[in-house]
Amino acid sequence: SQTIHQWPATLVQPVGSPLSLECTVEGTSNPNLYWYRQAAGRGLQLLFYSVGIGQISSEVPQNLSASRPQDRQFILSSKKLLLSDSGFYLCAWRQGAHGPYFGPGTRLTVT
Amino acid sequence: AQSVSQHNHHVILSEAASLELGCNYSYGGTVNLFWYVQYPGQHLQLLLKYFSGDPLVKGIKGFEAEFIKSKFSFNLRKPSVQWSDTAEYFCAVDSGSARQLTFGSGTQLTVLP
Repeated sequence: SQTIHQWPATLVQPVGSPLSLECTVEGTSNPNLYWYRQAAGRGLQLLFYSVGIGQISSEVPQNLSASRPQDRQFILSSKKLLLSDSGFYLCAWRQGAHGPYFGPGTRLTVT
Repeated sequence: AQSVSQHNHHVILSEAASLELGCNYSYGGTVNLFWYVQYPGQHLQLLLKYFSGDPLVKGIKGFEAEFIKSKFSFNLRKPSVQWSDTAEYFCAVDSGSARQLTFGSGTQLTVLP
């Protein structure tokens, strides 16, 4: 069966520090991968998606970036965090009629 | 651009009451439709989805949803809610080359025992 992992589960970082969030999927190959952000009291905002290794599409211009170095690995990064980057970051995968299925998320607090 | 509207932001029901949560989308082309649930402290779970065929879709935990194309709606229903259904519910529509999801703002359901 397929599983999706995200780490870390929680993170507190100061403004201006770098960020790296990781997402990995098991039990499937060549999935579409997605990064979403969920702000309190609001829906989920799509940040990035990828249909294959090295292929990244950005939905929202900001100081975040994403990379897909391996088929089932998706990384969300920032060189310098802003206060507004605080939120709950969710990774998801989809393949054909399967999913999308979401990971457990990372709670990021920028101080 | 694709948009999804969930007009009920917070719904409060007593146990055994019937539930209907509204969802409307804006896209006029072929879409797939989804309902997700997020229980307190847990991650998003897929409740049900509609791709094609019978517009009445049955999901987990006794939930169902009806796709009405002429109304651009995909409302979620449950005939009798339980206290354990207290959660936030999100409607979503997919589009684009990667079938990425566009979410509604969510509906918080509180079921009183």
